[in-house]
Amino acid sequence: DAKTTQPNSMESNEEEPVHLPCNHSTISGTDYIHWYRQLPSQGPEYVIHGLTSNVNNRMASLAIAEDRKSSTLILHRATLRDAAVYYCIQNNAGGTSYGKLTFGQGTILTVHP
Amino acid sequence: DTGVSQDPRHKITKRGQNVTFRCDPISEHNRLYWYRQTLGQGPEFLTYFQNEAQLEKSRLLSDRFSAERPKGSFSTLEIQRTEQGDSAMYLCASSRGLAGGKYFGPGTRLTVL
Repeated sequence: DAKTTQPNSMESNEEEPVHLPCNHSTISGTDYIHWYRQLPSQGPEYVIHGLTSNVNNRMASLAIAEDRKSSTLILHRATLRDAAVYYCIQNNAGGTSYGKLTFGQGTILTVHP
Repeated sequence: DTGVSQDPRHKITKRGQNVTFRCDPISEHNRLYWYRQTLGQGPEFLTYFQNEAQLEKSRLLSDRFSAERPKGSFSTLEIQRTEQGDSAMYLCASSRGLAGGKYFGPGTRLTVL
């Protein structure tokens, strides 16, 4: 069962920043926070992941709350190609979870020109 | 830089037939996952391999489904006696470690008539 909570949909304008929120109030110490996105008829695409500290890569930034019960994916300048379903996932890397991902419904991001 | 590849991309079959899908992971990735995705839903975990060992299978993987990963390289997913309910996108992902990002292939879309 998915353990994260995300808004069903969000809208943004092109070239503006986008902040996608995610709540993961049941997160444990060995859970990483992963973000993936999926365009229609394509496989999910890895975006970013983190454990406790904020993370940056060429695609996005991940801001993790101090208590780790929530996080925000930040797209600094949205483009039309960023329109997708964004999934926030608690990824347990320990024990017999084997790092498998449990996807929820995700957030549908619409980017307006 | 070659990503995860899957073959075929599309498969149409008649109910009762057997089908086999192939996944070629990123070469240095020793972990491989299979997922299934139906329309409007997030991907659901099916099975996991670490090298050639199949370490976990979901309850979704009925006895008609079998997966292999000989020599810890490519993997195959076979569905015997297909049913209309098997129609879905079958996704393969690979990773180097348990905690890091999972890289997905483009998927195989199965349609059972």
